[in-house]
This record gives sequence, structure tokens and C-alpha cells, in this order.
Amino acid sequence: GNSVTQMEGPVTLSEEAFLTINCTYTATGYPSLFWYVQYPGEGLQLLLKATKADDKGSNKGFEATYRKETTSFHLEKGSVQVSDSAVYFCALSDLDTGRRALTFGSGTRLQVQP
Amino acid sequence: EAGVVQSPRYKIIEKKQPVAFWCNPISGHNTLYWYLQNLGQGPELLIRYENEEAVDDSQLPKDRFSAERLKGVDSTLKIQPAELGDSAVYLCASSLNQRTQAFFGQGTRLTVV
Repeated sequence: GNSVTQMEGPVTLSEEAFLTINCTYTATGYPSLFWYVQYPGEGLQLLLKATKADDKGSNKGFEATYRKETTSFHLEKGSVQVSDSAVYFCALSDLDTGRRALTFGSGTRLQVQP
Repeated sequence: EAGVVQSPRYKIIEKKQPVAFWCNPISGHNTLYWYLQNLGQGPELLIRYENEEAVDDSQLPKDRFSAERLKGVDSTLKIQPAELGDSAVYLCASSLNQRTQAFFGQGTRLTVV
């Protein structure tokens, strides 16, 4: 079956530090990959996505590249801000199989200190 | 445009009592999802609707959980009777169809005491 593995948190960084949150996946088909973000008190929001190998998704300074050879989709940002503090979820959607819904990782909490 | 609306935001009930959650998806969205999010975990699919038809309910504990989506718009998720282990956040999401982006509501946080 499909699964997503994320690095455990919390990740604590100082403002303007470089961020990497690791994500690897297992899928029986050829999935699309996503990063969702959950700010305190808010619902899940799509941050970025990639639908095929070597695609790079980007939004709000965050980037992630779909690496089929390593089955990874690591999230990066060059300079984090306090406002980036949230929980980040890596997810996949595999339309080639019958399970056409998102499979999520367990989430990684990011805390950015001023 | 209004997003996915869920109510209530919070619910506290005693074990063995029934509880219901309501979801109003984005207008025009044919696909509706209910997810369960346990503390410190990612959401897990409970059920997916295409219009009024439940097309994936393999993860729904049917002995105590039920869901409906009358007229293919609003949806209700019910638990009867609730158990302590049901304490979690219940998320609703909708999308135009199964191939497009899903938008999530803020969720209902259930506490069973």
C-alpha cells in the first residue's frame, strides 16, 4: 500500500535559518506529491505540489522536488520567518490505484524563533 | 468564496453517547472526504463521496460510524456510541472531482470523556 514517512519534529530554527523537512514515500502507482501546512487554529492548506518526476513545486519561498529515484519530496526554504511556524504534512495521491484520496505523513512541527 | 464549513468546531461528550458532525463543502464540488486526525498524526481517510455515492468507505468503522451525503451537497458523519478512543479531530474536505485539489475545513475537535 501507499505510505509517507516524514522526519519527526519539532524542528526549532532561528529566523533566517535554512529549512529542510525530509519526506519519503512508498506507492504502488505513480503518485502526485504534496506539502500541506496547518497554521495554529486553521485548517490544512495546500502549500505546493508536484505531479511527475523532477517537477519542482514552489510557493511562498518553499520548494520541493519530486525525486523518483530516491522516492523523496523534501521541503526546503532558504530563510524561514517566525510566521512560518506551523505543522507541515507531506502527502501523496495515487490516481492509478483505487485509493483516490490523500495519504499523509505524520506531520512535522516547525518552530521559528525570532 | 466561502471555504469548506464544518460544525461544531468543538464537541465534548460522554462515552456511549451519540455525536454528529456536519460539513458544507465548497459550492460545485462533487467530491467530499471525511478524514480522522489523531493527536500528533496525519489525517487518515474515513470515507470519500462522489456526489451522493460513497465510493471509498473501506476505513470507516461501520459498527459505530455512519455517514451520509444527501443530495450530493452537505454531509453528516455520526458516531454511535462514542468511545474514548474516538477523541480526535474530524476533517472534511472537498474538491471539484477526484483529480483536483482538495480544500479542507477547520475540523471538529471531539473529546470523549
